[in-house]
Amino acid sequence: EVQLVESGGGLVQPGGSLRLSCAASEFTFSNYDMSWVRQAPGKGLEWVSTLSGGGGNSYYADSVKGRFTISRDNSKNTLYLQMNSLRVEDTAVYFCAKVSSVTTFFDYWGQGTLVTVSS
Amino acid sequence: QSALTQPASVSGSPGQSITISCTGTSSDVGGYNYVSWYQQHPGKAPKLMIYDVSKRPSGISDRFSGSKSGNTASLTISGLQAEDEADYFCCSYAGGSTWVFGGGTNLAV
Repeated sequence: EVQLVESGGGLVQPGGSLRLSCAASEFTFSNYDMSWVRQAPGKGLEWVSTLSGGGGNSYYADSVKGRFTISRDNSKNTLYLQMNSLRVEDTAVYFCAKVSSVTTFFDYWGQGTLVTVSS
Repeated sequence: QSALTQPASVSGSPGQSITISCTGTSSDVGGYNYVSWYQQHPGKAPKLMIYDVSKRPSGISDRFSGSKSGNTASLTISGLQAEDEADYFCCSYAGGSTWVFGGGTNLAV
């Protein structure tokens, strides 16, 4: 069964940085696009970023463009999200999600890691 | 990248059917047959229930069905069961490897 395990969340001050990780297993990681999706407390889901399987193409929501960077290490089956210039409104649970082979939906999700931006 | 519009809440009795709507634009829901629906229980990860408007992943009950007309997609749950009580989110591919989600609908059974 596909497993996605996020880590790296925590409390950070506004303007600070944090790097999230997502360890993947039980599928050929490099063959699939991967994404980050977040959920602010009590709110809906928001797509954040997607990275192609080979790591050459990345895409971002306007709300994080220029501040967040998605990357991956296919030798370690791990996806990353580097978050800089964090704002209070970035407070959310961040989910790692595997994009389906036909790249039209997210077929597996991790349990999420909480990022709290507060002074 | 505006969120899709869903009703905040719906409710139904066991055995009944309910429908949740998801309204977008011609740039997302109306432009692609790539609407998916996710179920989320409190504190849990989202779970894929419907993809490509009306397809069910393996293991998902046929009580769950999806459809689309123009810029509005719908999720119908028939024969409501207590375990269906959860939040439901629609999602549409929006081109260029980007996606947009709905605000979510809380289903009370």
